[in-house]
Amino acid sequence: SQQGEEDPQALSIQEGENATMNCSYKTSINNLQWYRQNSGRGLVHLILIRSNEREKHSGRLRVTLDTSKKSSSLLITASRAADTASYFCATDGETGFQKLVFGTGTRLLVSP
Amino acid sequence: GAGVSQSPSNKVTEKGKDVELRCDPISGHTALYWYRQSLGQGLEFLIYFQGNSAPDKSGLPSDRFSAERTGGSVSTLTIQRTQQEDSAVYLCASSLVVWKGLINSPLHFGNGTRLTVT
Repeated sequence: SQQGEEDPQALSIQEGENATMNCSYKTSINNLQWYRQNSGRGLVHLILIRSNEREKHSGRLRVTLDTSKKSSSLLITASRAADTASYFCATDGETGFQKLVFGTGTRLLVSP
Repeated sequence: GAGVSQSPSNKVTEKGKDVELRCDPISGHTALYWYRQSLGQGLEFLIYFQGNSAPDKSGLPSDRFSAERTGGSVSTLTIQRTQQEDSAVYLCASSLVVWKGLINSPLHFGNGTRLTVT
């Protein structure tokens, strides 16, 4: 079963606007990762945030993590048409062998 | 090549036939993963290898599915007696470190094999 669920399922914005995607998960985690998938391609890692971190930045990306609410958000600032893709959060568990469990994804469309 | 390589990129097969999907991970990556992605869906975990052993096969959908990894490198996912519900994109990923069973490194994905069972 999938651990993470992204919200919204689809998001359509104009270039230059910010895009915010949310992820909720069910069990305790060691870390949470965000990935991007262009149509017909594999996933590309964007950012990893550990359970003891609350916020992390990478270029135009900002990720927050609230372990008390079991949720994370991905913010893409000043979006570009090239940001059009599906975005997935992925979580591991806190103990034992950790398989990375992916959410259902948010499809982002950025129009010029 | 520098990335994870999967072959074939596309496979069309008739129901009931066996198929083999291949994954060439990034050199030096000890962990290897297989996932399945149905159209417009998220990723479904199938199996994980640490070296040549598979500590977690819990995601394999049925006994028609099997996977092996040799030499700590190339992996093959085999689906026997394919069914139409097996149609999906099969993604392979590798990572450098799985430390004490915890994932601390990002996964590097191949572009997948699109399997269509007619």
